[in-house]
Amino acid sequence: NAGVTQTPKFQVLKTGQSMTLQCAQDMNHEYMSWYRQDPGMGLRLIHYSVGAGITDQGEVPNGYNVSRSTTEDFPLRLLSAAPSQTSVYFCASSSWRGGAEETQYFGPGTRLLVL
Amino acid sequence: EDKVVQSPLSLVVHEGDTVTLNCSYEVTNFRSLLWYKQEKKAPTFLFMLTSSGIEKKSGRLSSILDKKELFSILNITATQTGDSAVYLCAVEVWRALTFGSGTRLQVQP
Repeated sequence: NAGVTQTPKFQVLKTGQSMTLQCAQDMNHEYMSWYRQDPGMGLRLIHYSVGAGITDQGEVPNGYNVSRSTTEDFPLRLLSAAPSQTSVYFCASSSWRGGAEETQYFGPGTRLLVL
Repeated sequence: EDKVVQSPLSLVVHEGDTVTLNCSYEVTNFRSLLWYKQEKKAPTFLFMLTSSGIEKKSGRLSSILDKKELFSILNITATQTGDSAVYLCAVEVWRALTFGSGTRLQVQP
């Protein structure tokens, strides 16, 4: 198993550009999520999905879109990049069937710089 | 608004010391509390706690949850330089994690 993979590892954008951060998992997990981490801060939830075709907003969703057409993939789209979106982005997945002790697995992260 | 607060923000100790990291929370619909270790990459899972008073242990690390007082502690005994990292506490509300800002631990030789 590759676990959770993210591409690209690093990206530089100009203000106003759009791009898609890719996330894939091969563990057949229903639950996937996107977080951003800014310096000196914990992770903040952007969007999450509990299964194919179902997505919902987290704490900081503005400026980001997601879709979940398959169980494996959960791309994050920046519609019009802004310097405030400079951050490290982590994708995570878990099986998370209620009551069972299951962890969230994190991808390696994408470092995004918006100029 | 859900809130998770960790203390201290940073800590410097010497090898062999014992450290205690704190996490307090105010959330609705609490399901579990998780501890992660983050070095210069993605967080790695340490513990998940769902019940009060039951200690989870893994080697030199242990953690316990108090659901009445709404806090958890992470203990690391006989610290090593490899324990240097940011330790993140997160609380699971329905299918989402709310993270604290982390405690940066530096273990000096």
